[in-house]
This record gives sequence, C-alpha cells and structure tokens, in this order.
Amino acid sequence: LAKTTQPISMDSYEGQEVNITCSHNNIATNDYITWYQQFPSQGPRFIIQGYKTKVKNEVASLFIPADRKSSTLSLPRVSLSDTAVYYCLVGGGNAGNMLTFGGGTRLMVKP
Amino acid sequence: NAGVTQTPKFQVLKTGQSMTLQCAQDMNHEYMSWYRQDPGMGLRLIHYSVGAGITDQGEVPNGYNVSRSTTEDFPLRLLSAAPSQTSVYFCASSYSDRLGEQYFGPGTRLTVT
Repeated sequence: LAKTTQPISMDSYEGQEVNITCSHNNIATNDYITWYQQFPSQGPRFIIQGYKTKVKNEVASLFIPADRKSSTLSLPRVSLSDTAVYYCLVGGGNAGNMLTFGGGTRLMVKP
Repeated sequence: NAGVTQTPKFQVLKTGQSMTLQCAQDMNHEYMSWYRQDPGMGLRLIHYSVGAGITDQGEVPNGYNVSRSTTEDFPLRLLSAAPSQTSVYFCASSYSDRLGEQYFGPGTRLTVT
C-alpha cells in the first residue's frame, strides 16, 4: 500500500492561498491521488483527484510533478470555513485496491 | 437521492454484546467500505466490497464481519464488542472505476463500556 506523509498542522489567515504538500514515494503506476476534507463530527468530503500534472476545480487545484512522488493541494483565498483536516490518499486505480487514509493535515484559518 | 445513510447515529454497548451497524447507498455504487476513526486520528479501513457477494479485509478487520448481499447495503457486524472498538464508524461508497472519489455517510458513534 502506498503510504502518504503530510504535515500534521498548518496555520493561515483569511484571504491567503494555502498549499499542503503530501509525499507518496511508493506510488504505483495505476494509483490516483485524491484529497479529502473533514470537518469535526462529519464524514470526509471529496475535494479533488488527479493522476499527473495539474487538475483544477471550483474549490482547489492539485499539482502533481512528473515523478508523482508528491502532490500539492492548493486552496485559493481561504476563509474561516476552510478550517478542517485535509487528507491525501493514494490508490484506487483498480477495483479491489484498498484506500488508506494517513494522519491528515489540520488547517487552522485565522481572521 | 439520500446518498450514503448510516444507522444508528449513536450506540452504547456493553463489553461482549454484538450488534450490526447499517449502511445503505442509493447511487448504485459497486464499491463500499467501512472505516473507523478514533479521536484525533485518521481513518482506518476495516472491510471493503467491490460488489455484491464480494468482500475483503482492510487494515483492521479483527472483531468485525461484513456481508454484501445487495448492491445497496453493506452492514458491519461487531461480534463481541470490546472497549477498544469505541470509535466513530464511517461507511463510504463509490463507483468501482473511481475508487478515490468516495461518498461518506454521517457516521455512527459507538461507545463500548
């Protein structure tokens, strides 16, 4: 199973761009990289998924270098409501693959 | 579209009791999974299923059983509850060709005394 490593916590201020990096050195060829957001007392919520290069949606961007051994989630102009735990997952390329969550990054957005 | 539903929301058990946590989804997803989340920790995979009639073990399967008789339902059974199983349990589902994009239920908070 591909293991992921993320910073335990990060602080930011409202209106700033936040970049959270995840390392996954043993990512497999058919693995995708996925990021989730979790608020207290709720289940995780899918944010974005990518395989290589850059992916962007209405809430975030995901940057993946050519070697795919790391990825960076970018949240533009964060607000207080972005305070949450963010998880990076690697896997899911084939039916039958297990998806494992790491410890996540606790993002605190301050006013 | 209800998404992923879980019952009950809260449950208190005594050591040695058994119970079943229910999970259902109405999105016709092939893949379903159960996770547990201990306080301040990430999620750990208990069991998963890639389709009706097919289940497999995750990272922490001991003490839990699952079955998948229909596409919609994926119950998790605690055989003989132990205090170490006190946790929040999440069920999730996805299409089998998009395993990374899972939809999670609201969770069941279980306390074993």
